[in-house]
This record gives sequence, C-alpha cells and structure tokens, in this order.
Amino acid sequence: GENVEQHPSTLSVQEGDSAVIKCTYSDSASNYFPWYKQELGKRPQLIIDIRSNVGEKKDQRIAVTLNKTAKHFSLHITETQPEDSAVYFCAARGSSNTGKLIFGQGTTLQVKP
Amino acid sequence: KAGVTQTPRYLIKTRGQQVTLSCSPISGHRSVSWYQQTPGQGLQFLFEYFSETQRNKGNFPGRFSGRQFSNSRSEMNVSTLELGDSALYLCASSLEQGFGYTFGSGTRLTVV
Repeated sequence: GENVEQHPSTLSVQEGDSAVIKCTYSDSASNYFPWYKQELGKRPQLIIDIRSNVGEKKDQRIAVTLNKTAKHFSLHITETQPEDSAVYFCAARGSSNTGKLIFGQGTTLQVKP
Repeated sequence: KAGVTQTPRYLIKTRGQQVTLSCSPISGHRSVSWYQQTPGQGLQFLFEYFSETQRNKGNFPGRFSGRQFSNSRSEMNVSTLELGDSALYLCASSLEQGFGYTFGSGTRLTVV
C-alpha cells in the first residue's frame, strides 16, 4: 500500500549547522511532495513543496530535493536557528487526481543555541 | 486573508455519543481534506471533498463521515464515539485540488 518513511525521528543540531531530513515513498505515481512544520500546539504549516517535474527547489534557508528514480526526497535547512525547532512532516500525494496526502511519521528537530 | 477556521477548538464527549466538527476553508478554496492526528499514528487521511463531492476516503470505519456544502464549508461526523477516537482533527483546504494545502488549527476531541 501507500507508505512514506521518514528519517530520522529526532534530530539535534547546533545553531548555525545544517539539518537534513529524508523521506522515501512507495507509490511511483506520486507527483507532489510537501513539507510541513508543526510547532507545539499549533497547526502544521506548509514550508516548501516540490512537484515531480522538478528535481530541486529552494526558498531562502530551506531546500527540497527529489530523486524520482530512487523514490527519495529530502528537506535541507541551512544556518539553523532556535526558531526552526519543531516537528517536520514530509508527505507524498497519492496517485493523480487525488488530494490525499500520505504523511511520514515526523522528525523532531531541536536546534540548540 | 482569513485562514482555515475549525470549530470548536476543543471538545469532550462520552463514549457512545456522536460529534460534528466544522471547517470553513480559505475563501475561494474548493478542495477540503480532513486528517486525524494522534501521537501513535501520526497524520492519517480521513476524506477529501471537492465541489461538494467526496473524492477520496481513508481507511476509517463507517462511523466517520463527512460532507461539503455549496459554499465549500465542510463538516465531519463521528458516531458511536470510542476512546480511540480521541485525537486532533485537522482540516485543510487548497485552491488547486491536490496541491498546496493549508491546515486549520484543528479540533481537539477527547472521548471519556
């Protein structure tokens, strides 16, 4: 069935370092991959997304890369700041003509000052 | 512009009761999805609606149902509540079906 695996489950970095979170999806028909940031007690917020016709997308300190052949996609955060501390979720859209997102289990990122 | 609005924010119900949760999407958004979030299972897809039609349904029992109105507002209903239904229920809307979903703050349901 449809599945998204996310690693690591927890990640601790020093302020200023980079953080990388990786996801693998199972449905080769998936064509859209968003990343959400969820702070404690708050709603998930879309921080970046990528469609399958693009290999990489960048927005300031955040970038996402996609390897369709390997069915991998990754979130890269550079120059991390304490306010980046949150739970990050990757997701993959199911087969086309659907709004269903399959979410990874989440990565708790802690940025130490 | 206003975000996705979910009401109520918190709800406590007794086992066996039923509950209705409401979601008002961002103005102009016609695609609405619902998710259940729990510490153990993470974010799990419940339903997707577009133009008042249910387009997809997740792997949840028939006690979970929903609908969408002509103004794109959506409701979900859970009947015969069980303790395991305690969760944060999140609604998300988008302008383009399948892309760019914005989540609401959710309804925290506690079943006792």
